[in-house]
Amino acid sequence: TQLLEQSPQFLSIQEGENLTVYCNSSSVFSSLQWYRQEPGEGPVLLVTVVTGGEVKKLKRLTFQFGDARKDSSLHITAAQTGDTGLYLCAGAGQAGTALIFGKGTTLSVSS
Amino acid sequence: DAGVIQSPRHEVTEMGQEVTLRCKPISGHNSLFWYRQTMMRGLELLIYFNNNVPIDDSGMPEDRFSAKMPNASFSTLKIQPSEPRDSAVYFCASSFQLQGEQFFGPGTRLTVL
Repeated sequence: TQLLEQSPQFLSIQEGENLTVYCNSSSVFSSLQWYRQEPGEGPVLLVTVVTGGEVKKLKRLTFQFGDARKDSSLHITAAQTGDTGLYLCAGAGQAGTALIFGKGTTLSVSS
Repeated sequence: DAGVIQSPRHEVTEMGQEVTLRCKPISGHNSLFWYRQTMMRGLELLIYFNNNVPIDDSGMPEDRFSAKMPNASFSTLKIQPSEPRDSAVYFCASSFQLQGEQFFGPGTRLTVL
């Protein structure tokens, strides 16, 4: 069974701080997606990484896919209160199967 | 364009009652997913369909749960009888490809008393 473990589970920081959250597995994924879920809403896709070692930037957010395509990280620079939410990673495993979601990292950014 | 539509948005019912959750996926999407989300267990995949056919229902917790997709524009998730431990937010999501970007609906918050 392919699993994705996310860490930390909870993170509470002040506005302006930097942070990194992780998504790890012992399995290889063909691609990995990152979603953000705000309170009372469904998750929304932020980015998809496909190639081992790939780095993608979305404003202050930097996503990296591990060289072996087993792990990924999300780094936020100078966090803002609007970054508050649940960050979920989802991996595309065996062909013909659904995405596998991690349990997420709940981020709280206070002013 | 309308996104994934779910109804009702909130449902409060008593233990033992039948609950039916509804979902209209995005037009043109071939895959539909039902999830349950709780603080303790996170986002759990219950069942998914591809081209209206159920592919994997191994995430359905018990026989009390059933799901149907009679056509490409409609799906239901039914719980009968409902129990307090079924209280959660239920999400429907659809995608153009099975492992592609998933578009989630706003969710149905179910409370079973």
